[in-house]
Amino acid sequence: ETGVTQSPTHLIKTRGQQVTLRCSSQSGHNTVSWYQQALGQGPQFIFQYYREEKNGRGNFPPRFSGLQFPNYSSELNVNALELDDSALYLCASSRSGSANYGYTFGSGTRLTVV
Amino acid sequence: QQQVKQSPQSLIVQKGGISIINCAYENTAFDYFPWYQQFPGKGPALLIAIRPDVSEKKEGRFTISFNKSAKQFSLHIMDSQPGDSATYFCAASNPDSWGKLQFGAGTQVVVTP
Repeated sequence: ETGVTQSPTHLIKTRGQQVTLRCSSQSGHNTVSWYQQALGQGPQFIFQYYREEKNGRGNFPPRFSGLQFPNYSSELNVNALELDDSALYLCASSRSGSANYGYTFGSGTRLTVV
Repeated sequence: QQQVKQSPQSLIVQKGGISIINCAYENTAFDYFPWYQQFPGKGPALLIAIRPDVSEKKEGRFTISFNKSAKQFSLHIMDSQPGDSATYFCAASNPDSWGKLQFGAGTQVVVTP
């Protein structure tokens, strides 16, 4: 059983650019959530996809968008990058739309905006 | 605003000692309280979780104590080992929020040999 895999592991972008981060969910999981973790902070919820539908969103601007594919993998897109977007972006998958079943997190994508 | 407040920010404990991390919350709708462990360069990993109908849950050397009236919960790491050195996060969710976990700010635990 493979875990959650994220790509790329590290990324450097220039302010104003756009970025796409990818996540493959754990086998048997139909839900993917994205979190942003700033240095020295706890993860902050961006949004969640359950069976290809978005069913929850945190306090992030519309330039943060995403989608989920039929195989339950997911993408996070961030447009018009700002310096404050520099963070570790975590993808987590679970067996249902609820956090109560326990998330499996990937190792994250470290995004640096310069 | 931070819905889950975690303390201390950092903790140094000797091998064999007890590490205690505390969290407090305000939202009484929260019904699931997990603890995650994160090593440098890795994502958080679920350590142990509790629901508010239980006052204590133990798994190996890790114990969660839950005080519903005080809206507080804590993680106790017994017989701390150098391999336990990591950052620990408490979190909470409610049934109306689907997958949204509210995380605390984290506690960096260092276990000295």
